[in-house]
Amino acid sequence: EAGVTQFPSHSVIEKGQTVTLRCDPISGHDNLYWYRRVMGKEIKFLLHFVKESKQDESGMPNNRFLAERTGGTYSTLKVQPAELEDSGVYFCASSQDTASSSTDTQYFGPGTRLTVL
Amino acid sequence: LAKTTQPISMDSYEGQEVNITCSHNNIATNDYITWYQQFPSQGPRFIIQGYKTKVTNEVASLFIPADRKSSTLSLPRVSLSDTAVYYCLVGPFNQAGTALIFGKGTTLSVSS
Repeated sequence: EAGVTQFPSHSVIEKGQTVTLRCDPISGHDNLYWYRRVMGKEIKFLLHFVKESKQDESGMPNNRFLAERTGGTYSTLKVQPAELEDSGVYFCASSQDTASSSTDTQYFGPGTRLTVL
Repeated sequence: LAKTTQPISMDSYEGQEVNITCSHNNIATNDYITWYQQFPSQGPRFIIQGYKTKVTNEVASLFIPADRKSSTLSLPRVSLSDTAVYYCLVGPFNQAGTALIFGKGTTLSVSS
């Protein structure tokens, strides 16, 4: 079974440009999460989808970030316009519906490294 | 979510058993304890999860005392490939949508 995949693995853009990150969760996983680690800091939660619905976006830093999950499958995270402080590694994770399992184990993708110059 | 405290770093030699202890004094009744492993340039990888007593899988064992205020991740006979950062997390992981709160983790270095 394929794990969580993310694209691209690395993106380098200039300040003010737009970047879109993509996450493909494990097939059948209703829950999808975005996290990020900025330089020197801990991994921080950004938001959580259940299927196509945003359940919790309390970690989104500001309105320059837009996450979507149309159709409840893959998700995109758009940063527009990108700022220098957005540089970091963006991780996606997915988990099954807890009705299907007793605990919510989140499986992470390899991350997308974003560098804003 | 309960705050966790774990060593910043540990060193070990190949073949040794490594025990990493995590303190979580404010753990709630419905909280579980989960450990993740992260290699450089990769996402965190789930290792093991437990609620009480002892849990063992093919990778590690997790020991949780009766008061649940701490837990110990045990890695038997480590190899060089076990060099990674290990994170202890606590939360109501029987509920979907629980945001994982990562601390700095414990950097384990295994040498030959």
